[in-house]
Amino acid sequence: QVQLVESGGGVVQPGGSLRLSCAASGFTFNNYGIQWVRQAPGKGLEWVAFIHFDTNHQYYTDSVKGRFTMSRDDSKNTLFLQMNSLRGDDTAVYYCAKDGPEGDDFDYWGQGTLVTVSS
Amino acid sequence: QSALTQPRSVSGSPGQSVTISCTGTSSDVGGYNYVSWYQQHPGKAPKVMISDVTKRPSGVPDRFSASKSGNTASLTISGLQAEDEADYYCCSYAGNYIWVFGGGTKLTVL
Repeated sequence: QVQLVESGGGVVQPGGSLRLSCAASGFTFNNYGIQWVRQAPGKGLEWVAFIHFDTNHQYYTDSVKGRFTMSRDDSKNTLFLQMNSLRGDDTAVYYCAKDGPEGDDFDYWGQGTLVTVSS
Repeated sequence: QSALTQPRSVSGSPGQSVTISCTGTSSDVGGYNYVSWYQQHPGKAPKVMISDVTKRPSGVPDRFSASKSGNTASLTISGLQAEDEADYYCCSYAGNYIWVFGGGTKLTVL
């Protein structure tokens, strides 16, 4: 069965860095795009970033451009989100989500990993 | 990349129907037939309930239906059940591989 497992969250000081991982199984990893979506405590979902399965091109929401970088290691079925220059408003649960077969929805989600930016 | 607009909360009694609206612009909801809806129970990951404006993924009850008119999409839940109580989010493609979510609607089953 499809499984996505995020890891790497934790507490980091403002201006610091963190790298999240998303380990995938149960599907052909290099056939699907993967998204990152975050949810600040008590708030709604916010789309963060996407990496294309074929071109490896990445796309980001404006608030993280230049600070966050997605990458993928297809040999390990793992996706990464490198987060630099972290700010308080980056505090959130970060979910990775798999594109649906038509690329028109997010059909499987991980359980999320909490990132807390605080001094 | 402004969030789509949803009502903060809706409520209904068991067996009743409720509709949740999701208003965007011609650059997202109105421009593409790629609106999806997600259900999220407290402490859980979101689950897709509707994709491509109206399509129900396998396993989603047919009590859930959706539509779109212009820049506004809608999710209707008929025959409300206690387990439908959750947060619901719409999501739309906004072009150039960018997606935008709504602010979320808390559904209370009275």
